[in-house]
Amino acid sequence: EVQLLESGGGLVKPGGSLRLSCVASGFTFSRHTINWVRQAPGQGLDWVSSISATGSHVNYADSVKGRFTISRNNAENSVYLEMSSLRVEDTALYFCARDRIREDGLDVWGQGTTVTVSS
Amino acid sequence: EIVMTQSPATLSVSPGESATLSCRASQSISSHLAWYQQKPGQSPRLLMYGASTRATGIPARFSGSGSGPEFTLTISSLQSEDFAIYYCQQYDSWPLTFGGGTKVEIK
Repeated sequence: EVQLLESGGGLVKPGGSLRLSCVASGFTFSRHTINWVRQAPGQGLDWVSSISATGSHVNYADSVKGRFTISRNNAENSVYLEMSSLRVEDTALYFCARDRIREDGLDVWGQGTTVTVSS
Repeated sequence: EIVMTQSPATLSVSPGESATLSCRASQSISSHLAWYQQKPGQSPRLLMYGASTRATGIPARFSGSGSGPEFTLTISSLQSEDFAIYYCQQYDSWPLTFGGGTKVEIK
């Protein structure tokens, strides 16, 4: 079964750090770009970051640039999101999502991991 | 950044009727548009890509059209499982951006 499983969410104080993980199974992980997309409570979808299949290209939303770092380990079928200088507005459910091979749609989503930034 | 605007915010439809959802990009994105469905407590599901190509397993009652800045998702003969929130997303340029969503609710 094609699957993505996120972990690492939790409660953190403003200014704190957290590392999210996304582990893939059931497909050739090294062929796909992987994205992080978040959803604040009761809100819409907000793209956060993307890493290409080989890890050579990364992109970030302006709102997280300089604070978040995306990386991947294809040998472990994993993608990571290092989050630092966290703000209250980063509170959200964080999904990892697989891009189609042609990068024309996010066709596999995990169940998400919740990040809460609060004092 | 390309801004995606969806309308209406909420659409009230009776089962069996059709629904037409709109999505507008702030600049031309060719056909680089995807649609997603999200039900309460669930992850989003890819419905369409390339503006008009159904993703794997998506029923034929879902259809997409448009190019450039204006796009439409049509759901014909709405079933109970189709009541959800629908998002459009452009992948023409970075950053990827989503519309604010259209909630399709039972009338």
